[in-house]
Amino acid sequence: IAGITQAPTSQILAAGRRMTLRCTQDMRHNAMYWYRQDLGLGLRLIHYSNTAGTTGKGEVPDGYSVSRANTDDFPLTLASAVPSQTSVYFCASSDNGESTEAFFGQGTRLTVV
Amino acid sequence: GQNIDQPTEMTATEGAIVQINCTYQTSGFNGLFWYQQHAGEAPTFLSYNVLDGLEEKGRFSSFLSRSKGYSYLLLKELQMKDSASYLCAVGDSNYQLIWGAGTKLIIKP
Repeated sequence: IAGITQAPTSQILAAGRRMTLRCTQDMRHNAMYWYRQDLGLGLRLIHYSNTAGTTGKGEVPDGYSVSRANTDDFPLTLASAVPSQTSVYFCASSDNGESTEAFFGQGTRLTVV
Repeated sequence: GQNIDQPTEMTATEGAIVQINCTYQTSGFNGLFWYQQHAGEAPTFLSYNVLDGLEEKGRFSSFLSRSKGYSYLLLKELQMKDSASYLCAVGDSNYQLIWGAGTKLIIKP
């Protein structure tokens, strides 16, 4: 693994189903983030984690949950998917500090039908 | 509220220069970032400004005026591969990034 990896790359999901998007990084970054990107809108932060064992809510957390059991992994779970959660999801990581350049995974394209 | 504004789309000619503007209103300021995102791909880091002035990095330069809440990204000697979306993002008082919707740059031969 080099950098930050997401799985799956795309998924079609029936409404009401549970789904976990996986994210793994090997850069030993403290901070990790989940964003969604929708056409015409900027990236919107769903949840974040500043360090292993802690998580926080972003701008659009409803319907999503995360966990950060260790430094490398930051899965995002949709407990009961709805069509409005159709989006492209990006996981990102960064070192803590002033110059918090973020490194992004390749994205997961999720369609809820 | 927090807001980042940038033009939706711009068109420029190969070999020319283009300036992409970004204005922001945020609670606190901890740096301004520019990212490049090719269609269907992840954003990648271009530049970071925390002090007023111009930062130059090869063909790309980024300018910041904190008093005006304004930044621009300047791309010189445009190449076809520069066709992409350019995202402006500002670190707020909690060091979380607030993102603009992005500017789609179309390069014509």
